[in-house]
Amino acid sequence: DTAVSQTPKYLVTQMGNDKSIKCEQNLGHDTMYWYKQDSKKFLKIMFSYNNKELIINETVPNRFSPKSPDKAHLNLHINSLELGDSAVYFCASSPIRMNTEAFFGQGTRLTVV
Amino acid sequence: RKEVEQDPGPFNVPEGATVAFNCTYSNSASQSFFWYRQDCRKEPKLLMSVYSSGNEDGRFTAQLNRASQYISLLIRDSKLSDSATYLCAVNSGSGGSYIPTFGRGTSLIVHP
Repeated sequence: DTAVSQTPKYLVTQMGNDKSIKCEQNLGHDTMYWYKQDSKKFLKIMFSYNNKELIINETVPNRFSPKSPDKAHLNLHINSLELGDSAVYFCASSPIRMNTEAFFGQGTRLTVV
Repeated sequence: RKEVEQDPGPFNVPEGATVAFNCTYSNSASQSFFWYRQDCRKEPKLLMSVYSSGNEDGRFTAQLNRASQYISLLIRDSKLSDSATYLCAVNSGSGGSYIPTFGRGTSLIVHP
């Protein structure tokens, strides 16, 4: 059973389109995250969300929005895609305790053409 | 200044070598520390947590220096299968909201 799963694994789309990436975790974790890993492999936090609080990295454009229908899901919506959005997007989750690691999904490789 | 900094490498070492990676962090209120391993085109996975007193897991030893705000990873007797990118991560936050912040990773290549 996959602990953190995200779909699709690959996404190729044209500039200006709107797309979504889905993420689900079956670990019972309280907190979920979205990270962006660019071509230089830098893993950068975009959002952190638990059932009480959404923390947004202020450098993330407002074209990106997280949507959480329930505790086990945190989807990422991207409007008006740009070339610079091409990257690998990772969903992750962790328990609410501070001394625990994050568990990652397998990543979604987004290519904007 | 980036919150978590690592030398990107690559570190190119022969099998059997000992190699060490360092990582510095800027937030003195950071509470917990980790090393992750990321293979090519895969997701990061936890390698080991880093405890204040230092800890060892087989060939891997992690150290934390809070005063100087750096963590280290030592790999002894390198294997070909150790080739990967090693990411250090620091958890910061409060009130139940803790965000893991990652360095950009150090690439290790172990050759025969």
